[in-house]
Amino acid sequence: KNEVEQSPQNLTAQEGEFITINCSYSVGISALHWLQQHPGGGIVSLFMLSSGKKKHGRLIATINIQEKHSSLHITASHPRDSAVYICAAANNNDMRFGAGTRLTVKP
Amino acid sequence: NAGVMQNPRHLVRRRGQEARLRCSPMKGHSHVYWYRQLPEEGLKFMVYLQKENIIDESGMPKERFSAEFPKEGPSILRIQQVVRGDSAAYFCASSREADGGYTFGSGTRLTVV
Repeated sequence: KNEVEQSPQNLTAQEGEFITINCSYSVGISALHWLQQHPGGGIVSLFMLSSGKKKHGRLIATINIQEKHSSLHITASHPRDSAVYICAAANNNDMRFGAGTRLTVKP
Repeated sequence: NAGVMQNPRHLVRRRGQEARLRCSPMKGHSHVYWYRQLPEEGLKFMVYLQKENIIDESGMPKERFSAEFPKEGPSILRIQQVVRGDSAAYFCASSREADGGYTFGSGTRLTVV
């Protein structure tokens, strides 16, 4: 079993839909990261969470430390949100990555 | 304020050659991390460096791979005698503190022919 599990692996949505990507981890963490990998391959750090909830524009990330679970939500999804979203569990400098969720938003 | 700069973006090497990948961290960041993404696989940690020190190289293959982060200049990931299995995207990230927010570079895509 992987230490960081993401679901779903692939997700196709229509423009405007509300998207949820889930991440469960089994390791101890100091922070949980959500990353976005563009179709061209570049990686952008979206959120770093150690508790609660963070919001940036249409993106919301939540974490439940007790349940070792985090979710990334995208409201009013848009085709430009199409990317791979990666969850990473960090314990100081040790970062373990999920396999990623490939999101495709159709117009 | 430029982000994390990696170069080259694409690198083609023949089997047996050396590959040198460079990473310039964000200004003010003294922590550098290298990750590898093999085709159709997730990111894997390779090495964590601070200036002039390797802090954690537990993810580095034992042979042919080395990394440095000198006092002056970029961090270098060096792969000697490359093999086809080294073909991957290599990403560098930097942070101001050890457990701080990471900024990723755009990656170097190494192709070994």
